[in-house]
Amino acid sequence: GNSVTQMEGPVTLSEEAFLTINCTYTATGYPSLFWYVQYPGEGLQLLLKATKADDKGSNKGFEATYRKETTSFHLEKGSVQVSDSAVYFCALSDNDMRFGAGTRLTVKP
Amino acid sequence: EAEVAQSPRYKITEKSQAVAFWCDPISGHATLYWYRQILGQGPELLVQFQDESVVDDSQLPKDRFSAERLKGVDSTLKIQPAELGDSAMYLCASTANRAGDTQYFGPGTRLTVL
Repeated sequence: GNSVTQMEGPVTLSEEAFLTINCTYTATGYPSLFWYVQYPGEGLQLLLKATKADDKGSNKGFEATYRKETTSFHLEKGSVQVSDSAVYFCALSDNDMRFGAGTRLTVKP
Repeated sequence: EAEVAQSPRYKITEKSQAVAFWCDPISGHATLYWYRQILGQGPELLVQFQDESVVDDSQLPKDRFSAERLKGVDSTLKIQPAELGDSAMYLCASTANRAGDTQYFGPGTRLTVL
């Protein structure tokens, strides 16, 4: 079945550092791929998405490229801020939505 | 901006009691999902509705959980009786279409069973 594996956390960075959170997937079809962010005590918010191979999703300085050859959708940001501290979930959607376990990011001033 | 509404935001109950959660999806969204998110994990699907019909409830513990969406709009998820292991965040999401579309999530209901 479909599944998502993402980098285990927690990840702690200093402000303005470069961020990468790895995500790989297994799918039998051609899923859409997503990154969601969850702030403490809240639901998930869509951060970005890509619907087909080689698409790049971007939002708020975050980027991820749908790589079919490596079955990956790694999340990157060039310069993180304290306000980016949250849990990040990689997900795929085919007939249903599958989420990774989440990666907690803490950004220190 | 349209949002998915959920209530209550927090619920504390004793084991063996009944609890109910409510969700109102984004207007016009035909597909509604209930997820359970245990602390430190990703959401896991409990039930999916297309309009008023259940599309997938294979992961719903039907001996104690029930869900309905009678008019194809808002939905209720019930647990009776609650058990200690049910403590989790219960998330509702909706999409305009079914497969592959972006799911929009509500703020969730944090359930604590004592």
